[in-house]
Amino acid sequence: SQKIEQNSEALNIQEGKTATLTCNYTNYSPAYLQWYRQDPGRGPVFLLLIRENEKEKRKERLKVTFDTTLKQSLFHITASQPADSATYLCALGYNFNKFYFGSGTKLNVKP
Amino acid sequence: GAGVSQSPSNKVTEKGKDVELRCDPISGHTALYWYRQSLGQGLEFLIYFQGNSAPDKSGLPSDRFSAERTGGSVSTLTIQRTQQEDSAVYLCASSPQAGADQPQHFGDGTRLSIL
Repeated sequence: SQKIEQNSEALNIQEGKTATLTCNYTNYSPAYLQWYRQDPGRGPVFLLLIRENEKEKRKERLKVTFDTTLKQSLFHITASQPADSATYLCALGYNFNKFYFGSGTKLNVKP
Repeated sequence: GAGVSQSPSNKVTEKGKDVELRCDPISGHTALYWYRQSLGQGLEFLIYFQGNSAPDKSGLPSDRFSAERTGGSVSTLTIQRTQQEDSAVYLCASSPQAGADQPQHFGDGTRLSIL
């Protein structure tokens, strides 16, 4: 089965800096890779999706990259704000509707 | 509201009891997913429905777990003879149609505690 690695240690950064979160996977590359935000006690909320043939995707202050050679996706938040503090999950989507989620990385943005 | 609704939000029960968890997906969404999230763990896929049928039940941990969906809408996840290791947050998600390119819309989950 697929193994997904997201940094289990919290990422602490200063407000205004760029946060970079990593999602590494083993085995075969997914057709699609999604990123979600999860706040304590809440369900995940969809942020961005990138396809296997796309290198980069942007949405406002968010940017996702996808490197199938490295088997890695990077998730960037520019000009970070304390309100960006949350846990961020990556999810690998395969044909036949199979999804694998990482355990997430907690981001703390300090004012 | 217009989002995915799950009930109850919290459930505490004794080991050996049966529990039933409910999910109301977004109206018109044909795909529905159940996941389990344990503390510090990723979401563990349990089952997904396309309409009323369940093409993939591979994630159900044991035969104590079952799920159904009626009318292409509401779904229930039933756990029989609960064990302490069943304690987790159970999340439901829906999407307009099945597909790995479809964003999933999650409810806030049911936090299940087995004493």
